[in-house]
Amino acid sequence: NAGVTQTPKFRVLKTGQSMTLLCAQDMNHEYMYWYRQDPGMGLRLIHYSVGEGTTAKGEVPDGYNVSRLKKQNFLLGLESAAPSQTSVYFCASSWSVYEQYFGPGTRLTVT
Amino acid sequence: KQEVTQIPAALSVPEGENLVLNCSFTDSAIYNLQWFRQDPGKGLTSLLLIQSSQREQTSGRLNASLDKSSGRSTLYIAASQPGDSATYLCAVKGYGNKLVFGAGTILRVKS
Repeated sequence: NAGVTQTPKFRVLKTGQSMTLLCAQDMNHEYMYWYRQDPGMGLRLIHYSVGEGTTAKGEVPDGYNVSRLKKQNFLLGLESAAPSQTSVYFCASSWSVYEQYFGPGTRLTVT
Repeated sequence: KQEVTQIPAALSVPEGENLVLNCSFTDSAIYNLQWFRQDPGKGLTSLLLIQSSQREQTSGRLNASLDKSSGRSTLYIAASQPGDSATYLCAVKGYGNKLVFGAGTILRVKS
């Protein structure tokens, strides 16, 4: 039982490049989330999903897209990376409104 | 809009001391409140979750209290140890199923 895993762990992009972050969970959770963490600001919700095939915007969705084609996977895409998207990205999952379980994070640097 | 504040931003204590971390939130209409621990470069580990109908939760040396009407929660750590050194995050969940995080308290326990 791996819990929540994230791929990759680290990535460096140049401005304008695109990439996809993958989150996978093996707990059969319905809900999945993407957050970003910046120094001194805590975590902020980017997008979330309440079930396979559904997505919704969070607090800071601009510049990101998501997809939930399979229940166990939640993908976060950056179409044209900007330096302001340099951050640590965390994925989480939960069973309905209960406790959220977090992945180890992806550290992204955009130069 | 829900806002979560954690005081102090950083705390340094000698080993063995009992300590209290504070969390306040602006909207008392919450579903639950969760305390997390984050080690440097790592993901979030859930410590305690308090439902809105509860007043406190305990796990080992940790005790979290919730006063929803005043918008406050405290995390009490008894007999602190160097291994407790980490960042502690407070997060509240409103009825939109979204977690709103505080910026965290960086705790250092000196041996």
